[in-house]
Amino acid sequence: DQQVKQNSPSLSVQEGRISILNCDYTNSMFDYFLWYKKYPAEGPTFLISISSIKDKNEDGRFTVFLNKSAKHLSLHIVPSQPGDSAVYFCAASVAGGTSYGKLTFGQGTILTVHP
Amino acid sequence: DTEVTQTPKHLVMGMTNKKSLKCEQHMGHRAMYWYKQKAKKPPELMFVYSYEKLSINESVPSRFSPECPNSSLLNLHLHALQPEDSALYLCASSQVGRDTDTQYFGPGTRLTVL
Repeated sequence: DQQVKQNSPSLSVQEGRISILNCDYTNSMFDYFLWYKKYPAEGPTFLISISSIKDKNEDGRFTVFLNKSAKHLSLHIVPSQPGDSAVYFCAASVAGGTSYGKLTFGQGTILTVHP
Repeated sequence: DTEVTQTPKHLVMGMTNKKSLKCEQHMGHRAMYWYKQKAKKPPELMFVYSYEKLSINESVPSRFSPECPNSSLLNLHLHALQPEDSALYLCASSQVGRDTDTQYFGPGTRLTVL
């Protein structure tokens, strides 16, 4: 049972345009969501997160939107740069309880930004 | 400083060898994690330590043995591994408490089991 899904395996965008990466989840207990960026043979790098009490969080070129009723979140990168080319994972967690510390990852989306 | 370090970067071992992976963080985090990542797959959680105590073991085979000697260090002892255990092993750390689930990952150890 895949509780966090990234339905687009890949996304190709022109430099300077907006990149929109999407993520859907099924577990209504998730209350904290994160996006990680990963280059080959490196560990994931934390990008941005959002708590379920918010619907938007911004950090520079990165904005995460959360739609709890639709169980959907998205990452917007504006403007996209060639250095943004990487695999992007969304992840979700349930605060507290026996599941504390357990991040559930999506399958990842490969973003390619063309010059 | 959000650095988690891991050694070695690469490790090749035979099925009868015993080896250890090491992870260190100096961010004052009290939760540390081991993940396994296969190619083109997301990281899979193996173990969670909270305040130096094992809090989650995701039904990992006993040939993987974690150890948390202190709040900054995390080891993963390996013994009698199988070729299918070849993967990128990632360590992560985070604070403990509500809304502190931001985990910071190390660069990983690329393990090859022959």
